[in-house]
Amino acid sequence: DQQVKQNSPSLSVQEGRISILNCDYTNSMFDYFLWYKKYPAEGPTFLISISSIKDKNEDGRFTVFLNKSAKHLSLHIVPSQPGDSAVYFCAAIRGTGNQFYFGTGTSLTVIP
Amino acid sequence: GAGVSQSPSNKVTEKGKDVELRCDPISGHTALYWYRQRLGQGLEFLIYFQGNSAPDKSGLPSDRFSAERTGESVSTLTIQRTQQEDSAVYLCASSSWGRIGQYFGPGTRLLVL
Repeated sequence: DQQVKQNSPSLSVQEGRISILNCDYTNSMFDYFLWYKKYPAEGPTFLISISSIKDKNEDGRFTVFLNKSAKHLSLHIVPSQPGDSAVYFCAAIRGTGNQFYFGTGTSLTVIP
Repeated sequence: GAGVSQSPSNKVTEKGKDVELRCDPISGHTALYWYRQRLGQGLEFLIYFQGNSAPDKSGLPSDRFSAERTGESVSTLTIQRTQQEDSAVYLCASSSWGRIGQYFGPGTRLLVL
């Protein structure tokens, strides 16, 4: 039962343009949503999070948008850089608790 | 400071053998998680330790899987009588109590022949 879904396995974007990574979820009880970035042969790295009571959180080039009515969140990276090329996972949790539900990841390629 | 470390980085074993995977969390992190990522799939939650509380084992796929953690330090994940479907990257993560983000180790790549 996949409670967090990333329907696009891959995305290619030109350097300098905006990258938009999407994520959908099914459980309206999730309290926090997170994005992780993963390079090959490394573990995921926490990138940015958003509480369910907010609709936007921004950190430098990264902005996460949350649409609770649509059960949808997105990560915007602008401007995209070649070093952003990685697999991006979205995740959701309830409270500060234990179970993180991860999506299957989207592989982003930023073309120089 | 050191991040989360895992050993071995790679493990090849024969079907039916037992394997033990090790995770050293970041010092001071009370929470420790084990995940599994099979090829082409997302991260699958296995088990969660928080301080001295009873672990949440709800993600363990079968009784061949077990994990231990000594206090707030090292954890070992043991897979008994390995099967080919156990082949995956096993990731460990740790976090501070009340903090949302986790810090992941590099993973152990397990291949069961």
